[in-house]
Amino acid sequence: DSGVTQTPKHLITATGQRVTLRCSPRSGDLSVYWYQQSLDQGLQFLIQYYNGEERAKGNILERFSAQQFPDLHSELNLSSLELGDSALYFCASSVGLLNQPQHFGDGTRLSIL
Amino acid sequence: GQQLNQSPQSMFIQEGEDVSMNCTSSSIFNTWLWYKQDPGEGPVLLIALYKAGELTSNGRLTAQFGITRKDSFLNISASIPSDVGIYFCAGYDNTDKLIFGTGTRLQVFP
Repeated sequence: DSGVTQTPKHLITATGQRVTLRCSPRSGDLSVYWYQQSLDQGLQFLIQYYNGEERAKGNILERFSAQQFPDLHSELNLSSLELGDSALYFCASSVGLLNQPQHFGDGTRLSIL
Repeated sequence: GQQLNQSPQSMFIQEGEDVSMNCTSSSIFNTWLWYKQDPGEGPVLLIALYKAGELTSNGRLTAQFGITRKDSFLNISASIPSDVGIYFCAGYDNTDKLIFGTGTRLQVFP
């Protein structure tokens, strides 16, 4: 058990809809990261938050947004969903900012019908 | 997006054999991490490497941070069935983003 909790485990929805994925980091970790994993792309970094503030952006679409709340949990919002958004979405957390090992949750599997 | 070159892509070995996989990059990385991912689960951290030349072990696993800082390898000795899974290397680049390798799928036969 990594200590990172993600909900829901599975999500099935239709094109055009909006969903919210939730992540609780390990106790004491201030950084939260979001990744997308699809079959042909491997793990792709989306965005990082540190202590409530956005720190780094990767290949995150404009239709996607995230935030980290004062209690350090984070949410990833995906809107105007397309078939190609079907993937596993992982959250990871680390203690600090630079070069820290990241610990991953078990992911949310998003299926767009 | 950017990915590290990881090889081999897949391995089929017999229980008890040793395994070696590596990861290379065209640019320098500051930290190398090795993860294992089982089906339906998130990547689990195996080993973290912080200095060029560093050699670190975790049980039957040994990993090294290449001297050039552009590569890393992972060895698994005396493989067992529960070693089955996908192994990913990952490294922090000079923009402090964690970049993942393409993965090595390991299958162990009894």
